[in-house]
Amino acid sequence: GENVEQHPSTLSVQEGDSAVIKCTYSDSASNYFPWYKQELGKGPQLIIDIRSNVGEKKDQRIAVTLNKTAKHFSLHITETQPEDSAVYFCAARPTGGGADGLTFGKGTHLIIQP
Amino acid sequence: DGGITQSPKYLFRKEGQNVTLSCEQNLNHDAMYWYRQDPGQGLRLIYYSQIVNDFQKGDIAEGYSVSREKKESFPLTVTSAQKNPTAFYLCASSIGTGSGYTFGSGTRLTVV
Repeated sequence: GENVEQHPSTLSVQEGDSAVIKCTYSDSASNYFPWYKQELGKGPQLIIDIRSNVGEKKDQRIAVTLNKTAKHFSLHITETQPEDSAVYFCAARPTGGGADGLTFGKGTHLIIQP
Repeated sequence: DGGITQSPKYLFRKEGQNVTLSCEQNLNHDAMYWYRQDPGQGLRLIYYSQIVNDFQKGDIAEGYSVSREKKESFPLTVTSAQKNPTAFYLCASSIGTGSGYTFGSGTRLTVV
């Protein structure tokens, strides 16, 4: 089955700086890679996703890059703001969906320092 | 508005009791999932269902049970056989197995 590794587990950056969270996956058949943001006491919310036919996708201050050859993908947040503080999860899903759905990384706690 | 609703938000269980967590969605999604979240361990899959009247065990199904009698509903029962049930439980749904998830807001279960 799929295995997703996520790093770092905690990331502290100064407000206004950029943050980068990295994930690797094991199943070369995976073709869908979403990122979720979870605020304290709430459920995760989808913030951006990418499919394997695309190398990069941007939405305002957030972007995701995918390197299929190396089997890794990254989340980039620019001009960080206090409201970006949260736990971020990456996930991967193999071609055909996979019977049990998404495989998640263990999460990154992003802390924005004022 | 369409969405996925979990209830209750907080739940307390005495040892030896079974408790049921509710999950309802009005998104017309076929697939539904239950995850357990513990600090530092990410999201672990308990059970999933791709279609009404069918469900499969995930990675940590022991001590849990589910039903899927209606497309909209996927309740999770935490039985007395689950020795360490204190956790944050998340329900999710998706259009199909090739799509992303919509999550509920979670239920925090505490054993007292």
